[in-house]
Amino acid sequence: DAKTTQPNSMESNEEEPVHLPCNHSTISGTDYIHWYRQLPSQGPEYVIHGLTSNVNNRMASLAIAEDRKSSTLILHRATLRDAAVYYCILTGGGADGLTFGKGTHLIIQP
Amino acid sequence: GAGVSQSPRYKVAKRGQDVALRCDPISGHVSLFWYQQALGQGPEFLTYFQNEAQLDKSGLPSDRFFAERPEGSVSTLKIQRTQQEDSAVYLCASSWTVISSGANVLTFGAGSRLTVL
Repeated sequence: DAKTTQPNSMESNEEEPVHLPCNHSTISGTDYIHWYRQLPSQGPEYVIHGLTSNVNNRMASLAIAEDRKSSTLILHRATLRDAAVYYCILTGGGADGLTFGKGTHLIIQP
Repeated sequence: GAGVSQSPRYKVAKRGQDVALRCDPISGHVSLFWYQQALGQGPEFLTYFQNEAQLDKSGLPSDRFFAERPEGSVSTLKIQRTQQEDSAVYLCASSWTVISSGANVLTFGAGSRLTVL
């Protein structure tokens, strides 16, 4: 799976939007972009995924650059419960599943 | 159950003991993964099952690690003669479908935290 680059940490205020960036310049045509998050003492939780078009769901939005070399996870109105490590992952399928990096540690200030 | 269940949640073992960690995936899920997560790191792949078949075990760190899923549902990760470096959280994840495309979404359990003294 191709590599992704994310900031180690980000800080935001409660009730404000949060934009989490991810660079993936070596993405291949069949790679999907996935985002998972991991709250303290829990397993990773699926957030959203996409291939080429922007995606929205109840948790977040995913904005994918036209050249697909970067993407942004958007939390529209952060709450304290959104404080977690957010992982951006590329996968084209395969038996080795998802390859996690270190992710971005999101801190939400009240 | 509604989610992936793992037990025990916490396990303390003396060095040299054998341990067994259990994963109950979501009913009907075909694919099952085991991951290892060291403190402050992202999860790392250990092994993958499609139903009862172990299709990839390339991530198992040594021959002390063994996983099985004999009936294609519950899976057990066994670690023999535990060492201190085996201390980690062991995560199980499952999915409805086989791993054929990048659109596959995994559901993770809360993990089993193993501490080897």
